[in-house]
Amino acid sequence: DQQVKQNSPSLSVQEGRISILNCDYTNSMFDYFLWYKKYPAEGPTFLISISSIKDKNEDGRFTVFLNKSAKHLSLHIVPSQPGDSAVYFCAAPRSSGGGADGLTFGKGTHLIIQP
Amino acid sequence: NAGVTQTPKFQVLKTGQSMTLQCAQDMNHNSMYWYRQDPGMGLRLIYYSASEGTTDKGEVPNGYNVSRLNKREFSLRLESAAPSQTSVYFCASRWLSPYNEQFFGPGTRLTVL
Repeated sequence: DQQVKQNSPSLSVQEGRISILNCDYTNSMFDYFLWYKKYPAEGPTFLISISSIKDKNEDGRFTVFLNKSAKHLSLHIVPSQPGDSAVYFCAAPRSSGGGADGLTFGKGTHLIIQP
Repeated sequence: NAGVTQTPKFQVLKTGQSMTLQCAQDMNHNSMYWYRQDPGMGLRLIYYSASEGTTDKGEVPNGYNVSRLNKREFSLRLESAAPSQTSVYFCASRWLSPYNEQFFGPGTRLTVL
């Protein structure tokens, strides 16, 4: 049973506009969340994270919002650039307490930035 | 720093053959992980080593074994490969302290015929 869900397999956005990637989770014990970006034939690279005690974290063009009551988080990319075209994974530690026992991932959303 | 390195990059096996995937990190990380990624799926944890000298099963450990050789190296072994193990395998590492991100290697693409 997947605890982290990304329900949109793909998303197409025009260059310069905002990209919004969504993620839902079922386990209310999750205490932090991470977003990874993956290009073809490469390993995932860490993008941004958020602790469950916050509702927003920002890093340059990337902002993650957390709505705990809805068990929902979203990644906003503004403005979207061609190099943002990649697969984005939402992830959470498998158990609370910091993540030493690994991450559980959503299935990913393929973001395509169109010129 | 090379970060997390994996060998080989590609491998083709026949059903029943064995092989070992190698992973090494030069970031002095305590914890290391093996994941697999299948088409349309996220990454799934196979095994992990929270610190040197310990290993534990993840979500999908059947058919695999691991060895934490030292702090730097963590290998994944397929004793008798099956077509269902065709996948892309990623090794990752991180510091033990809480809430740190994992750093991933470039992956090994394995095909079992």
